[in-house]
Amino acid sequence: DTTVKQNPRYKLARVGKPVNLICSQTMNHDTMYWYQKKPNQAPKLLLFYYDKILNREADTFEKFQSSRPNNSFCSLYIGSAGLEYSAMYLCASGLGNNYAEQFFGPGTRLTVL
Amino acid sequence: KTQVEQSPQSLVVRQGENCVLQCNYSVTPDNHLRWFKQDTGKGLVSLTVLVHENDKTSNGRYSATLDKDAKHSTLHITATLLDDTATYICVVGDSNYQLIWGSGTKLIIKP
Repeated sequence: DTTVKQNPRYKLARVGKPVNLICSQTMNHDTMYWYQKKPNQAPKLLLFYYDKILNREADTFEKFQSSRPNNSFCSLYIGSAGLEYSAMYLCASGLGNNYAEQFFGPGTRLTVL
Repeated sequence: KTQVEQSPQSLVVRQGENCVLQCNYSVTPDNHLRWFKQDTGKGLVSLTVLVHENDKTSNGRYSATLDKDAKHSTLHITATLLDDTATYICVVGDSNYQLIWGSGTKLIIKP
């Protein structure tokens, strides 16, 4: 199975409430990425896990958390959603030594009301 | 300064015709370049990845070239179908896990 799965596909959240998005892959990839994509903008890398090491982008590290309980799963956690978090969230995975090959999931569309 | 520039910004093509999308970049070092297709409201689908100088790849009706000296790539779509209507995004990866994204070319296929 060479697919990256994301759950849920659509998520509605209230302002101020937490949001947890899930990503999984069974390709034994050591690296998993989370991107935020807004309409008419390029996807923005939020963070990535290389094995158990979390790397977060400097300008978003306070807004997003992540966990990777095992090689196959990676979550993206928003502690208190704001309207500006409404976006498509894309998960990708790949091998750290060949990061040219990234496999993307279908995305989770988050709408914050 | 935009590091990955795509042209044209939008393109309308009649079904069955061929089209060419361009990507120019200034990313250094340029480890690889990837073309994605994004259907409206959906996730990204990787069409092809180019790694080496003068790489040429082919994936069905999609073919791509990379000229690292010129820092330029093209994506060719032959015999376009209505389902080819989408945004095509060029992404350049450097050697530090950084992906630099173009803003995309919106392609519309008309019957």
